[in-house]
Amino acid sequence: NAGVTQTPKFQVLKTGQSMTLQCAQDMNHEYMSWYRQDPGMGLRLIHYSVGAGITDQGEVPNGYNVSRSTTEDFPLRLLSAAPSQTSVYFCASSYSRGLSGSPLHFGNGTRLTVT
Amino acid sequence: ELKVEQNPLFLSMQEGKNYTIYCNYSTTSDRLYWYRQDPGKSLESLFVLLSNGAVKQEGRLMASLDTKARLSTLHITAAVHDLSATYFCAVAHMDSNYQLIWGAGTKLIIKP
Repeated sequence: NAGVTQTPKFQVLKTGQSMTLQCAQDMNHEYMSWYRQDPGMGLRLIHYSVGAGITDQGEVPNGYNVSRSTTEDFPLRLLSAAPSQTSVYFCASSYSRGLSGSPLHFGNGTRLTVT
Repeated sequence: ELKVEQNPLFLSMQEGKNYTIYCNYSTTSDRLYWYRQDPGKSLESLFVLLSNGAVKQEGRLMASLDTKARLSTLHITAAVHDLSATYFCAVAHMDSNYQLIWGAGTKLIIKP
């Protein structure tokens, strides 16, 4: 059982370039999300989705786009990379958010550097 | 706005000792999560606390939740080196579709 799979593991971009971080889960989870992790700041939510065709903004959405065309996939697009987007990005999923309280399952992360 | 504060942010301790990590939050919530992260790795769910007075234990770790005090604790009993990691608490923001607000993490180093 693969769980949550993120690609690539590492990426270096130049300022202004665009790219897509891929995330796929095979657990039939309704809820998927993208976080960034910066030193000393915990995790901050970028975008999330509660099901196919439904997305919403989190705490730090600027500069990022998402789509959810299938239950399994939730790609994160950087539109025009900036050095402030240098971070570690985690994709996470759960059975549902809300009353069930099910925990998040995390991918292995993508370490992005923007020069 | 929900804020989550962990303390301490860094803890170095000897094997065999007991210690407690604290997670305070600023607004009402009855749902709190603890995660562990090893250096350069992903996050692993440890505990899900869903009600006032909830207590969960796994091995040398025990977590509790006091929703009235807006406080959760993660207690480490007779620490061993393998528990060295960064521990995060995350609180569900009930007024914001249960989005999780994360503490900054407690980096725990356990010395032999």
